[in-house]
Amino acid sequence: DAKTTQPPSMDCAEGRAANLPCNHSTISGNEYVYWYRQIHSQGPQYIIHGLKNNETNEMASLIITEDRKSSTLILPHATLRDTAVYYCIVRSGSSNTGKLIFGQGTTLQVKP
Amino acid sequence: DSGVTQTPKHLITATGQRVTLRCSPRSGDLSVYWYQQSLDQGLQFLIQYYNGEERAKGNILERFSAQQFPDLHSELNLSSLELGDSALYFCASSVSLGGADEAFFGQGTRLTVV
Repeated sequence: DAKTTQPPSMDCAEGRAANLPCNHSTISGNEYVYWYRQIHSQGPQYIIHGLKNNETNEMASLIITEDRKSSTLILPHATLRDTAVYYCIVRSGSSNTGKLIFGQGTTLQVKP
Repeated sequence: DSGVTQTPKHLITATGQRVTLRCSPRSGDLSVYWYQQSLDQGLQFLIQYYNGEERAKGNILERFSAQQFPDLHSELNLSSLELGDSALYFCASSVSLGGADEAFFGQGTRLTVV
């Protein structure tokens, strides 16, 4: 599975959009981009995933560049409860495991 | 609530002992993954089962073993416990093997070895 690169930490003002970047320059055609977050030692929470197209759900939007080498997770109106470690993971769509390999993630601090 | 249930939530045991952690996947999910999260090491993939068969192994110690039963629940067995085994242990489940289906995580078991 391709590796990902994320900034170690970011700040965001409450009520503003949080834009979390992720580089995955070695991603291959059948690999999905997944985002999870972990709030203070709770179980990782699934946020969103995509293959090529931009995706949106009730939690967030995922913007994937046309060359698929990077992506951005957007939390449209960040709240204090969005303070967490956010993980960007590339996951094979055709492998016979589908295991998720976590990196160090980005610690997002939402400030009042 | 992710639908993945892990028991117990907390476990305190002594060095040298053996413990069993249990995971009930979401209804309909055939794949179960186990992860370890120590303070200094992040989330480490341990092992995966799919429909009762082992499918992938990560950094799992020989003292650790797992299995998935016919009803699809899974157990992670940790033996000859050491202080360094103190960690959060998470399981996750997904419908299939491939990466197109999202995996959902339980709330974990916090193991403390004293």
